[in-house]
Amino acid sequence: KQEVTQIPAALSVPEGENLVLNCSFTDSAIYNLQWFRQDPGKGLTSLLLIQSSQREQTSGRLNASLDKSSGRSTLYIAASQPGDSATYLCAVRPYGNNRLAFGKGNQVVVIP
Amino acid sequence: KAGVTQTPRYLIKTRGQQVTLSCSPISGHRSVSWYQQTPGQGLQFLFEYFSETQRNKGNFPGRFSGRQFSNSRSEMNVSTLELGDSALYLCASSLQGHTDTQYFGPGTRLTVL
Repeated sequence: KQEVTQIPAALSVPEGENLVLNCSFTDSAIYNLQWFRQDPGKGLTSLLLIQSSQREQTSGRLNASLDKSSGRSTLYIAASQPGDSATYLCAVRPYGNNRLAFGKGNQVVVIP
Repeated sequence: KAGVTQTPRYLIKTRGQQVTLSCSPISGHRSVSWYQQTPGQGLQFLFEYFSETQRNKGNFPGRFSGRQFSNSRSEMNVSTLELGDSALYLCASSLQGHTDTQYFGPGTRLTVL
């Protein structure tokens, strides 16, 4: 059974610092990995999707890397802003189905 | 292009009742998945529908069921509600394949009293 872990569960950083969020998974047989953002009481917003054949994806201040063999992904957010405060979730899609396995999330607070 | 929509956004029910939640996927998307999110368990997969057929099912009791219509809209039903069914229910849609991005709706917040 795929297990997805996100560490740390919560963190606070001052505005302007770079954010580094980690995600690890136990089974490397995946199609892809997706990072989401969730604001309190809201749905999930897709940030980046990395296919299993890719090493990284970038969108604006966001960069996500994937090391499938070691079962790890990292989300970097450059020059954090108070608006980046949210919970960030990573999810892996295993071979053979469309069923995402989620981590519990990294709850981020960016202090002005 | 409109995003994934879910109705209703909030529901309050009592134990023993049943409830139906609705999800309209992004236009052109044929796969619809449902997830339950609770503070203790996080996000858990309920089921996925593709072209009106259930393609995958999570580890939930038979009280949880769903269906998909020919226009790809989907409904999920929970019968004989229990207190533990209180959660945020999220629907996600994707084009069709296992390499596609999944897009989530705003969710339906169900409270069971």
